[in-house]
Amino acid sequence: DTAVSQTPKYLVTQMGNDKSIKCEQNLGHDTMYWYKQDSKKFLKIMFSYNNKELIINETVPNRFSPKSPDKAHLNLHINSLELGDSAVYFCASSQVSSGQVYTGELFFGEGSRLTVL
Amino acid sequence: AQSVTQLGSHVSVSEGALVLLRCNYSSSVPPYLFWYVQYPNQGLQLLLKYTSAATLVKGINGFEAEFKKSETSFHLTKPSAHMSDAAEYFCAVSDLRNTDKLIFGTGTRLQVFP
Repeated sequence: DTAVSQTPKYLVTQMGNDKSIKCEQNLGHDTMYWYKQDSKKFLKIMFSYNNKELIINETVPNRFSPKSPDKAHLNLHINSLELGDSAVYFCASSQVSSGQVYTGELFFGEGSRLTVL
Repeated sequence: AQSVTQLGSHVSVSEGALVLLRCNYSSSVPPYLFWYVQYPNQGLQLLLKYTSAATLVKGINGFEAEFKKSETSFHLTKPSAHMSDAAEYFCAVSDLRNTDKLIFGTGTRLQVFP
């Protein structure tokens, strides 16, 4: 079983469209993340959720809206897609809860490559 | 603010040669440091981590890294490269304001030649 799974793996769309990427983790982790990796491989955090609560929002345009229906799922919806949104989007999870020893280990999905034409 | 700098976006070695990937960090307090590996078309995978215990950290696949406070470095090494080590390697530091937030370096692509 894949620990962190994302769908779709590839997404090609036109500017101005709206698209969603879904993520699910079966590790029982409390915290989930969205990272963006650009064409130069630079990886930057976008959002993190802990038990469905938004924890980190890194000055991402409000066209990006994460949603966490439960702690095992974190979806990313993008409105009015722009050329600059083309990237690989990685979902990740970790077990970071109050009172627990911080491990710092993120478990990543395989990524969703978004191409905006 | 914490940051990491990876020197060399590309490193090429021969199979069997020493692998050395460089990472320097910036942090006002002792950081938590990590090395992740990304194989083609895959997500990142933790290689090893330093969390203020032993300064020499051993990870998976024969990799290790040494935390040197005086040099603010956390270089990744492997005594003998294998073809299967070819991948992108990322150094990362935890953001001490949000310990579950990792700040990644720009990555180093390792190529291994026969």
